[in-house]
Amino acid sequence: GESVGLHLPTLSVQEGDNSIINCAYSNSASDYFIWYKQESGKGPQFIIDIRSNMDKRQGQRVTVLLNKTVKHLSLQIAATQPGDSAVYFCAESTGGGNKLTFGTGTQLKVEL
Amino acid sequence: DAGVTQSPTHLIKTRGQQVTLRCSPKSGHDTVSWYQQALGQGPQFIFQYYEEEERQRGNFPDRFSGHQFPNYSSELNVNALLLGDSALYLCASSWRDRGDTEAFFGQGTRLTVV
Repeated sequence: GESVGLHLPTLSVQEGDNSIINCAYSNSASDYFIWYKQESGKGPQFIIDIRSNMDKRQGQRVTVLLNKTVKHLSLQIAATQPGDSAVYFCAESTGGGNKLTFGTGTQLKVEL
Repeated sequence: DAGVTQSPTHLIKTRGQQVTLRCSPKSGHDTVSWYQQALGQGPQFIFQYYEEEERQRGNFPDRFSGHQFPNYSSELNVNALLLGDSALYLCASSWRDRGDTEAFFGQGTRLTVV
């Protein structure tokens, strides 16, 4: 079936550096994408979303880029902080609603 | 605003038993979805409830069933528990009537089947 996956299972960055987390999706009909952050023992926390009619969206210290040609999604975190350490998931949805298909996640580790 | 609340937070059951998990959506939300998250994996969609009916269902056996109440809260029931049902069960809510797709998740219920 359709799936969303991630290129890197673990990403280690130095505090203050920028982080880039990548995601590949396979369902060309997906029209809505979300990045979630999940800390240990907690539920996923919404970070930022983007619809398929956009290729870039910015939030506070975060930017999501969408390349529909190659079915690729990325999350950029500027000036990474220790509090950013968590597992990051991309998720996709087709046709709205909140049925989401998640990838397996990327562990972001911020080194001091 | 309490956000999405789930109960209990942790639960231990014996293989073959039945379990009921509960979810209260974020204030103003009318749609509830349930997800199963195995250790080290991303959440997997179980089903979604809107207007007290199951609207969408993922690839889960009918041992998994649910219910939504008039106040939008929801229950997830799992019968004949298997060891493989051990996971974090997440509830997510959104406001379907407003066309929102952003889903807010609860903290989850950690189910351990022994």
